[in-house]
Amino acid sequence: QQQVKQSPQSLIVQKGGIPIINCAYENTAFDYFPWYQQFPGKGPALLIAIRPDVSEKKEGRFTISFNKSAKQFSLHIMDSQPGDSATYFCAALQTGANNLFFGTGTRLTVIP
Amino acid sequence: DAGITQSPRHKVTETGTPVTLRCHQTENHRYMYWYRQDPGHGLRLIHYSYGVKDTDKGEVSDGYSVSRSKTEDFLLTLESATSSQTSVYFCAISGLAGESPYNEQFFGPGTRLTVL
Repeated sequence: QQQVKQSPQSLIVQKGGIPIINCAYENTAFDYFPWYQQFPGKGPALLIAIRPDVSEKKEGRFTISFNKSAKQFSLHIMDSQPGDSATYFCAALQTGANNLFFGTGTRLTVIP
Repeated sequence: DAGITQSPRHKVTETGTPVTLRCHQTENHRYMYWYRQDPGHGLRLIHYSYGVKDTDKGEVSDGYSVSRSKTEDFLLTLESATSSQTSVYFCAISGLAGESPYNEQFFGPGTRLTVL
C-alpha cells in the first residue's frame, strides 16, 4: 500500500512554464515532507522540504504548497528550464520513525 | 556530494548466489539506510542502522540482511539472490554521530543489480 500518492507520472512543459506535481498522504503522524530531484544515473538529491506548521515554502524557483486539512502537498517550479528535466519524488516521514515513504515519482521534461 | 560511495556500481549475478553491496560514508553520520528503487514504486526502505551494530527492518526487508561494524560502513547482503531483487539500490545517511535523529537524508549514487 502506497503511503504517499503522487501524480502525474509524467509531465511535459515548455520552458518558462510552471509544472505542478501533487502528492497526498493518509498518515496524520507524518510531520516532514521533502521533495527530491533525481537525474538519470544519480541518487536523489534533496530539493526542498516543509513541515505542517506552514502552508508554503519557497526556495529559489521551487515552492511547496501544503494543505494540512486535505493532507496534500505540491511542488511548483517557477520559470522552468530544460535543466530542470528530471524525476521528482515527494516523500513523508514521521520524526523519529526513520522510514521515509516516497511517492512513485514524476518524470518532468522541460522543452526548450 | 554528501561523502557517500557505493560499491560496486553495477553488478550482474545469477539466481541463488550471495551478493553484498557496500556503502561507505566519510561524514560521520549516525544513521544509514538502504533503499531499493523500482519503477512504479519509488524508493522503499529495506533496512536502516542507528549506530554501530544497531540495525532495524524497513518496509521491504525480506530476503535481505545488513551489518554495520564501523560507523562509516553499512553492508547489504542478499543471501540467495532472486530475480525479484533486480533493482537499483541506494544508500542514504542522516544525522551526525551522537545527535538526535535528523530528518534530512543524503543519498549515494546507487548500485544497479541485475539477477539473472
